[in-house]
Amino acid sequence: QVQLVQSGAEVKKPGASVKVSCKVSGYTLTELSMHWVRQAPGKGLEWMGGFDPEDGETIYAQKFQGRVTMTEDTSTDTAYMELSSLRSEDTAVYYCATGGGPIDYWGQGTLVTVSS
Amino acid sequence: AIRMTQSPSSFSASTGDRVTITCRASQGISSYLAWYQQKPGKAPKLLIYAASTLQSGVPSRFSGSGSGTDFTLTISCLQSEDFATYYCQQYYSYPRFTFGPGTKVDIK
Repeated sequence: QVQLVQSGAEVKKPGASVKVSCKVSGYTLTELSMHWVRQAPGKGLEWMGGFDPEDGETIYAQKFQGRVTMTEDTSTDTAYMELSSLRSEDTAVYYCATGGGPIDYWGQGTLVTVSS
Repeated sequence: AIRMTQSPSSFSASTGDRVTITCRASQGISSYLAWYQQKPGKAPKLLIYAASTLQSGVPSRFSGSGSGTDFTLTISCLQSEDFATYYCQQYYSYPRFTFGPGTKVDIK
């Protein structure tokens, strides 16, 4: 059984960066394809990017290209999502999630609030 | 990019009702379609994948159908715990996903 435990809520000022972590247990990170999905308050789910097992690269949604970086530390089985140049519209719950197509497992979510 | 739409966006129903939610893809996605249930403050939960395969542990009152561009999620006999928001997701373009905008089911 995969468990994904994310870091705690963050409050950031516009223009800052945030880095959210996602600790994997039950499996090793190398056995999974990790993705990140966000949800603004009262809004739907938005895929941000994730690992492409075909070519071993991380791909990003065009909307976030240049602003998001997803990394993995396989020594600690922890995935990270860093979003830079934050603006108020980035206020959202950020989820790490994994699955081979359908997403079987989700982290509990991390609320990132961007406010001056 | 593949776009997903859902209808209706929200509706009210009563316990015991049979409810159907529709999801449409902007291009054919075969059966690469999943359905999720989300309750307030919680992460989404996978209900159905491959358009019609029930995820382990999901009650049999949930069912899915469709292929190509048109899909439906049916709840045969709505229970109190089913009041939630439902999302469809295409994974035809995996690892690029697209979610539908969601359908909120609330109590009449």
